[in-house]
Amino acid sequence: ETGVTQTPRHLVMGMTNKKSLKCEQHLGHNAMYWYKQSAKKPLELMFVYNFKEQTENNSVPSRFSPECPNSSHLFLHLHTLQPEDSALYLCASSPGGGKNYGYTFGSGTRLTVV
Amino acid sequence: SQELEQSPQSLIVQEGKNLTINCTSSKTLYGLYWYKQKYGEGLIFLMMLQKGGEEKSHEKITAKLDEKKQQSSLHITASQPSHAGIYLCGADGNTDKLIFGTGTRLQVFP
Repeated sequence: ETGVTQTPRHLVMGMTNKKSLKCEQHLGHNAMYWYKQSAKKPLELMFVYNFKEQTENNSVPSRFSPECPNSSHLFLHLHTLQPEDSALYLCASSPGGGKNYGYTFGSGTRLTVV
Repeated sequence: SQELEQSPQSLIVQEGKNLTINCTSSKTLYGLYWYKQKYGEGLIFLMMLQKGGEEKSHEKITAKLDEKKQQSSLHITASQPSHAGIYLCGADGNTDKLIFGTGTRLQVFP
């Protein structure tokens, strides 16, 4: 247990479904992140939130919609996904404030789009 | 934008052997981070290096950052099966964003 909890651990969804991934941290961190990890590709940064405000959207398709209601929770809403969106989605948090002193990662959600 | 290249991409070693993984950055590193990932799981933080020439050790793992701050190495002494996994280097470029290298998959056989 790292202090960052992701649910669910595994998700299978059809291309017409709507689902959400949840990330929760109680480390007192102010920055939260979504990463996508596909086979044989580097980890791709998707979204960055600092103090609940989105500060980075790395050209992510609109079928991925993040939400950060408070500094402890981060969601990734999914709709009309494609099979190529199947991947491990990792959430991370850090102290934030313009300096990175190390991210803490969750265990990830393994997403399969069928 | 900054890019990180790791080598080798994969490594298979016999238990007890030493090994080294390299990480090269296209730009000067402000902070260099090493993480380990078990297959299909999250990343576990290993070490962070910030100063040129810095070296840190934890148990049998030693990480170094070169004087020019563009290359780092991770050295494992007397490898064990528990060291198996994917090793990733990350860099923050003095921002809140952490980017990662392509990873090195390590297998250790008895």
